[in-house]
Amino acid sequence: AQSVTQLGSHVSVSEGALVLLRCNYSSSVPPYLFWYVQYPNQGLQLLLKYTSAATLVKGINGFEAEFKKSETSFHLTKPSAHMSDAAEYFCAVSDLGGNTPLVFGKGTRLSVIA
Amino acid sequence: ETGVTQTPRHLVMGMTNKKSLKCEQHLGHNAMYWYKQSAKKPLELMFVYNFKEQTENNSVPSRFSPECPNSSHLFLHLHTLQPEDSALYLCASSQVGGGALSSYEQYFGPGTRLTVT
Repeated sequence: AQSVTQLGSHVSVSEGALVLLRCNYSSSVPPYLFWYVQYPNQGLQLLLKYTSAATLVKGINGFEAEFKKSETSFHLTKPSAHMSDAAEYFCAVSDLGGNTPLVFGKGTRLSVIA
Repeated sequence: ETGVTQTPRHLVMGMTNKKSLKCEQHLGHNAMYWYKQSAKKPLELMFVYNFKEQTENNSVPSRFSPECPNSSHLFLHLHTLQPEDSALYLCASSQVGGGALSSYEQYFGPGTRLTVT
């Protein structure tokens, strides 16, 4: 069975600092991996996805993530945090067949301090 | 309208009421989902419909009743709810099943904030 672990339920960074949100997955087959962002009282918005092509994936709003099979990780990074990045971030995994729904992590709340 | 829409955005109901949540996707997808998001809890998958057929029901109480009349519309009928059912209910859609058009990522609506009094 697939699973996702997000390390740290809350991460706080200063404006302009590096953002690093951690995600480790477990899957018996090559996975598809996703990062979503949720702003208050809104639905989830897709930031980026890994679908077995390039291991370094670039997404919207300056975010990127690197798929590392040896570490079973898919950490999300952004070189310089902006106040508008404050939100909840979710990592999710699906199997290659796409026949199972996404399995989501518990989420990481990112706070950006001025 | 584009993407996934949900109505109403906010709903307050008593425990004896009957109400329905509506979701509509304008993306031509073939799968739709209901999720429950409570404060301080992870996203809970409730129901999955693939090609209008329910394929997953994650032990959801019978006071929640889904309906998928076609691949674009999904309803969640609510009756005799409990205060602990207060949450944000999210609808999502995706294109699954393999093939060139399948993308697997889910597109979410803005959610319905439900309060049960």
